Amino acid sequence: EVQLVESGGGLIQPGGSLRLSCAASGFTVSYNFMTWVRQAPGTGLEWVSVIYSGGSTYYADSVKGRFIMSRDNSKNTLYLQMNSLRAEDTAVYYCARDPSSGAGGDYWGQGTLVTVSS
Amino acid sequence: DLQMTQSPSSLSASVGDRVTLTCRASQGIRNYLAWYQQKPGKVPKLLIYGASTLQSGVPSRFSGSGSGTEFTLTVSSLQPEDVATYYCQNYNSAPLTFGGGTKVEIK
Repeated sequence: EVQLVESGGGLIQPGGSLRLSCAASGFTVSYNFMTWVRQAPGTGLEWVSVIYSGGSTYYADSVKGRFIMSRDNSKNTLYLQMNSLRAEDTAVYYCARDPSSGAGGDYWGQGTLVTVSS
Repeated sequence: DLQMTQSPSSLSASVGDRVTLTCRASQGIRNYLAWYQQKPGKVPKLLIYGASTLQSGVPSRFSGSGSGTEFTLTVSSLQPEDVATYYCQNYNSAPLTFGGGTKVEIK
């Protein structure tokens, strides 16, 4: 069954960098698109980035130029490199897969909390 | 950029009521629309993809319809466990924008 497990969150000072990971099992991350989604406390869901099967990446305007999404096919793992972090980047970050990708199991990971504060 | 607008932002209905939530896209997204349910403190759960395909294990009282720019999520008979916030998401092309959500409560 599909599982998505995020890691790498924590407390970081403004201007700092952090790399999130999303380890997948039960399916192949490169076969469908994968996304990062975040949710600041008490707010709705905000799409952050997507990587398509061909490797193309796209970003929300709020993170463009600061965040980089990538994947390691050999490890079946996604990454989100977050640079120049701001207080407004504070959120729970989820990795999520293409909703039509099938295979049952998780469509979203459990999330990892990123807190940007001095 | 593509905008997804959900209405209403919140609603209160009685157990057993038929409830309809709406999601509008600012440009056509064919049927690449997903609906998610998020209960407080929980991870979002996929309910519907392809605008109308019910995810395995989701109760049949949930249904989705629409194509292009107008979509609906209907709960045919609202149950207490359906209290949650519901989000639609475009996945036709980037940006894979979410709607602002509809919070559903029991009257």
